[in-house]
Amino acid sequence: QKEVEQNSGPLSVPEGAIASLNCTYSDRGSQSFFWYRQYSGKSPELIMFIYSNGDKEDGRFTAQLNKASQYVSLLIRDSQPSDSATYLCAVNREDNFGNEKLTFGTGTRLTIIP
Amino acid sequence: DGGITQSPKYLFRKEGQNVTLSCEQNLNHDAMYWYRQDPGQGLRLIYYSQIVNDFQKGDIAEGYSVSREKKESFPLTVTSAQKNPTAFYLCASSISEDLYNEQFFGPGTRLTVL
Repeated sequence: QKEVEQNSGPLSVPEGAIASLNCTYSDRGSQSFFWYRQYSGKSPELIMFIYSNGDKEDGRFTAQLNKASQYVSLLIRDSQPSDSATYLCAVNREDNFGNEKLTFGTGTRLTIIP
Repeated sequence: DGGITQSPKYLFRKEGQNVTLSCEQNLNHDAMYWYRQDPGQGLRLIYYSQIVNDFQKGDIAEGYSVSREKKESFPLTVTSAQKNPTAFYLCASSISEDLYNEQFFGPGTRLTVL
């Protein structure tokens, strides 16, 4: 089982609709979760982070965390063509030496259709 | 402007050559990281450093070396021992290695081995 799993897509969503991106993780001890957006050929930029169970909203973006199910999601409301990108889920984990590190999923490619 | 710079943006290397990728930050961050990204894959951690003059291996350190002589700088050397070095290299930094601190990324260096 991969440590962080995402559906690679591509996920196509009509403009104005809700895009739903999902991520599961294997380390039950993980405590911090991040969503990054990466445009083609560019570096990742942070969209959202979440630490507690439940929902966290920031503008058109909502992150949802369910630690019991080891599941984190990102909802994008009123999708815009500029939201077309690859979305990376990142989860903290503790390595064998007790050091905290981020593990990234392979990303979900999202395309917003005008 | 505060941020992370990486140079060069594009780098071409002949087989058997060592090359050094530059990463500089003026964010006063303690922790710095190097990742590698291959097409269709997530980010994989090469090396990281929490403080000056100290660094740890990540998940794929073989064939790479780093130094951290200054807080602002964390150069990565890709040695001839790295079997498949062609990739997109990303440098990141965070305030500290604490698990709740998000990582900020530089623009990346695209390395191609000829």
